[in-house]
Amino acid sequence: GENVEQHPSTLSVQEGDSAVIKCTYSDSASNYFPWYKQELGKRPQLIIDIRSNVGEKKDQRIAVTLNKTAKHFSLHITETQPEDSAVYFCAAVPGGGSYIPTFGRGTSLIVHP
Amino acid sequence: GAGVSQSPRYKVAKRGQDVALRCDPISGHVSLFWYQQALGQGPEFLTYFQNEAQLDKSGLPSDRFFAERPEGSVSTLKIQRTQQEDSAVYLCASSLRHPNTEAFFGQGTRLTVV
Repeated sequence: GENVEQHPSTLSVQEGDSAVIKCTYSDSASNYFPWYKQELGKRPQLIIDIRSNVGEKKDQRIAVTLNKTAKHFSLHITETQPEDSAVYFCAAVPGGGSYIPTFGRGTSLIVHP
Repeated sequence: GAGVSQSPRYKVAKRGQDVALRCDPISGHVSLFWYQQALGQGPEFLTYFQNEAQLDKSGLPSDRFFAERPEGSVSTLKIQRTQQEDSAVYLCASSLRHPNTEAFFGQGTRLTVV
């Protein structure tokens, strides 16, 4: 089955800096890669996603890149703000047969004012 | 409803007790997933339904865990003879269709086995 590795587990930045979170996946059949943000005690919520037919997607301060050959994808947050502090999860979803998202272990992002 | 609803939000069970966790997905959503989230970890897959059919239950940790979705809407995750290692947040998610559309999560049920 799919295996998703996520790094780092904790990321501490100053307000205004950029943050990068990286994930690798093992199943070449995965073709959908969502990123979720989970604030303390709340449900995970989708913030951005990318499909395997594109290499990059951007939404305001958030961008995701995908390298299918290397089987890795990354989340980039620019001009970080304290409200960006949360746990971020990457996931990989196979395109055939099983459509079950497999999640990384999460990155706790702390943005210091 | 506006989103995925789970109940109860919190459950404390004595070791050996049976529990039932409920998930109300978004109306019309075909796919329903159950995940287990331990403290500080990512969601771990338990089981998956497409309508009323349970297509994958490979993540259920033991035969004490059972899930159903008899009418293709509400789902129940049942844990029999709870153990301390079952303590976790149980998340339910639903998505509209295949393939590869956004999964919407409920707020989860925090189960504590004492």
